Amino acid sequence: GQQVMQIPQYQHVQEGEDFTTYCNSSTTLSNIQWYKQRPGGHPVFLIQLVKSGEVKKQKRLTFQFGEAKKNSSLHITATQTTDVGTYFCAGPYGNKLVFGAGTILRVKS
Amino acid sequence: DVKVTQSSRYLVKRTGEKVFLECVQDMDHENMFWYRQDPGLGLRLIYFSYDVKMKEKGDIPEGYSVSREKKERFSLILESASTNQTSMYLCASRPNRGRLIGYTFGSGTRLTVV
Repeated sequence: GQQVMQIPQYQHVQEGEDFTTYCNSSTTLSNIQWYKQRPGGHPVFLIQLVKSGEVKKQKRLTFQFGEAKKNSSLHITATQTTDVGTYFCAGPYGNKLVFGAGTILRVKS
Repeated sequence: DVKVTQSSRYLVKRTGEKVFLECVQDMDHENMFWYRQDPGLGLRLIYFSYDVKMKEKGDIPEGYSVSREKKERFSLILESASTNQTSMYLCASRPNRGRLIGYTFGSGTRLTVV
């Protein structure tokens, strides 16, 4: 079936260090979405990437969509304590949006 | 801002009870979704709906049903609650496909079945 694999499952970084989470799809995607869920909160939409090789930035966050449109990454530069939470990627498969298992980010201050 | 409201934040029910989880959105979105979230498994789609009275099964529909009698309301029903349905339930909505807009989620209902 459709799968969206996301790694790592968990990452604990020192404040100021960089962080990256990776997402891989079993099939080519028309687009990929990223969400952030703060502890105790609900997922919040961050961004959607559509084009092959697309790179988008939101302040310290950089999102990439692979050339083959089967993988994506989210990179955070110089993490801050406000970055803690779980980051999910999600890809459309037919009528459904399938989520990765998420990467939990913890930041030590 | 779009608002997706789930009726209960926390719920405790007994095994075998019929459970109703309600979700209401205020932005006239055509599409509504029910996911459950479990540690290490991410979000898994239970049911979704494209329009009033329409419903489609997601990846894990067993033990659940849904109702969409009005556009703004999408209800998830656990016909006979079991302990393996203890989970966080998230409702989401989205306007029609073709627009570059992600899903808007409600705050979630944490259901415990004892």
